Amino acid sequence: EAGVVQSPRYKIIEKKQPVAFWCNPISGHNTLYWYRQNLGQGPELLIRYENEEAVDDSQLPKDRFSAERLKGVDSTLKIQPAELGDSAVYLCASSLDHTTETQYFGPGTRLLVL
Amino acid sequence: GNSVTQMEGPVTLSEEAFLTINCTYTATGYPSLFWYVQYPGEGLQLLLKATKADDKGSNKGFEATYRKETTSFHLEKGSVQVSDSAVYFCALNTGSARQLTFGSGTQLTVLP
Repeated sequence: EAGVVQSPRYKIIEKKQPVAFWCNPISGHNTLYWYRQNLGQGPELLIRYENEEAVDDSQLPKDRFSAERLKGVDSTLKIQPAELGDSAVYLCASSLDHTTETQYFGPGTRLLVL
Repeated sequence: GNSVTQMEGPVTLSEEAFLTINCTYTATGYPSLFWYVQYPGEGLQLLLKATKADDKGSNKGFEATYRKETTSFHLEKGSVQVSDSAVYFCALNTGSARQLTFGSGTQLTVLP
């Protein structure tokens, strides 16, 4: 069974530029999560989807961050414009549904903003 | 709110040494507790979990027991290997939101 797929694995951009991350969850998983992991810290939730609906985006900085999950499968997280403080690893995770405790994580996208 | 406090690293051990990584938590309700491991260049992998008090999670020689009275979930392994070198994260979730709250991680290095 394929795991959670993320791309790109690495991204270097200059501040004020836009950037997008893509995630393909495990097949059949209805719940999708985006986390941000700062250096030396644990991941922090940005947004959670149940199918195509964003059910928890309270920690997403909505002035510059946006996300979508069209058709309830793949998801894209966008930052526009990026700031120096956005440098981090962006992790995508999925679970079977919102009642399932175990989340499966992708390898992450490491973003460096110069 | 929910929070997880982990033993600060880095931790360096010799192969076959005994490992303990401390984890304590604060949570409303009755959380499930997890240990995730992150190998270099890889995503987080679930190592073990426990869903109620006195449960013991175990996997790959690692163990952790859910201690409600001390709000702890310490990770142990009797004999570590070089391949166990990684960052270990303690985490919890509660309620229907299933939002994981992570500790800051503990870097483990095992020397041959």
